[in-house]
Amino acid sequence: NAGVMQNPRHLVRRRGQEARLRCSPMKGHSHVYWYRQLPEEGLKFMVYLQKENIIDESGMPKERFSAEFPKEGPSILRIQQVVRGDSAAYFCASSLSGTGSNQPQHFGDGTRLSIL
Amino acid sequence: QKEVEQNSGPLSVPEGAIASLNCTYSDRGSQSFFWYRQYSGKSPELIMFIYSNGDKEDGRFTAQLNKASQYVSLLIRDSQPSDSATYLCAVKDENYGQNFVFGPGTRLSVLP
Repeated sequence: NAGVMQNPRHLVRRRGQEARLRCSPMKGHSHVYWYRQLPEEGLKFMVYLQKENIIDESGMPKERFSAEFPKEGPSILRIQQVVRGDSAAYFCASSLSGTGSNQPQHFGDGTRLSIL
Repeated sequence: QKEVEQNSGPLSVPEGAIASLNCTYSDRGSQSFFWYRQYSGKSPELIMFIYSNGDKEDGRFTAQLNKASQYVSLLIRDSQPSDSATYLCAVKDENYGQNFVFGPGTRLSVLP
């Protein structure tokens, strides 16, 4: 059973381009979380989604960033008109749903985004 | 504002010693507590989770939870150089949806 799958592992974009990061949760997981991490810094929460719903986007920048988790297919984190400051590692995590769930998050290997 | 605090370190311990990592949280409603280990350049991996007051042991790792003091810790016995990593504390409040709050992490260095 595959874990959380993220692709691409590395993504290089020029300033002004769009970046699309994909995340397929673990089988059976319907909760997806996106985090950003700069070198030598902690995880910064961005957004929490369930299928077809954004539950908490309090960590998302108001402009250029969007996320979705459609009924079919992976979750997508989209960054429009990228700038140098968007260079970071972006981690996706998933957790199992369920009544009274206290299930942990499991992380993917991340996407390293570099902006030239 | 829910907060999770950890000393950033680095915490240095000699090989074979006990490493003690601490975490405090602000929300009394928090119910689930997790420890993750993150090696440099890698993703966080789950080490342990604890839900009830007291100790929970798994191999060389022991998690300790004190909800009255809003404190959770991770002890690593017989520390090895391979334990050198950043340790992240995460807290979850199921009355607050399914969201997790992560601490900034403590960097542990085990010296051979």
